[in-house]
Amino acid sequence: SQQGEEDPQALSIQEGENATMNCSYKTSINNLQWYRQNSGRGLVHLILIRSNEREKHSGRLRVTLDTSKKSSSLLITASRAADTASYFCATAPSGGGNKLTFGTGTQLKVEL
Amino acid sequence: DTGVSQNPRHKITKRGQNVTFRCDPISEHNRLYWYRQTLGQGPEFLTYFQNEAQLEKSRLLSDRFSAERPKGSFSTLEIQRTEQGDSAMYLCASRDDGYTGELFFGEGSRLTVL
Repeated sequence: SQQGEEDPQALSIQEGENATMNCSYKTSINNLQWYRQNSGRGLVHLILIRSNEREKHSGRLRVTLDTSKKSSSLLITASRAADTASYFCATAPSGGGNKLTFGTGTQLKVEL
Repeated sequence: DTGVSQNPRHKITKRGQNVTFRCDPISEHNRLYWYRQTLGQGPEFLTYFQNEAQLEKSRLLSDRFSAERPKGSFSTLEIQRTEQGDSAMYLCASRDDGYTGELFFGEGSRLTVL
């Protein structure tokens, strides 16, 4: 079963604009990760944020985590057409469980 | 590091046939995962291996599904008596023993059951 929901389900923006995706989850976590998936391909890890962190940056990516609200957001700045993909959040359970549980994903389309 | 390799990439089969997928993880990764993904959904956990031991299985993994990882290297996922509802992308991922680790995914094996 999916751990949580992402919204929006789909997002269409112009190149150069920022894209924000949100993820909500249900149980206590050790960390939260974001992955990207191009159509018909495998997933690629983007960034990991631990439960005791509130914000993290990597290049054009900015991730926030609010454990009190059980939510996270992924911001992609200055988007490019090559950013077109599906983006998934995934949670690792607190207590050191072994599996990642993925959300439902946001489909991002960046138009020229 | 050649990444996670999955074969075959695509499989079309008739209902009732058996299919087997193979996953070769990154060589130094002890942990191996199988996920299933249907169109428009996120990956759903199926099973997890640490070395050759299968330590966790989802309730999604019915009796028709079996996974192995002999000698703790490559893994196989077999589906017996396939049903149309088994049509999905089957994703394999591996990671190292770090307490909080990212998963490295293969390109997936897409199954179509006619």
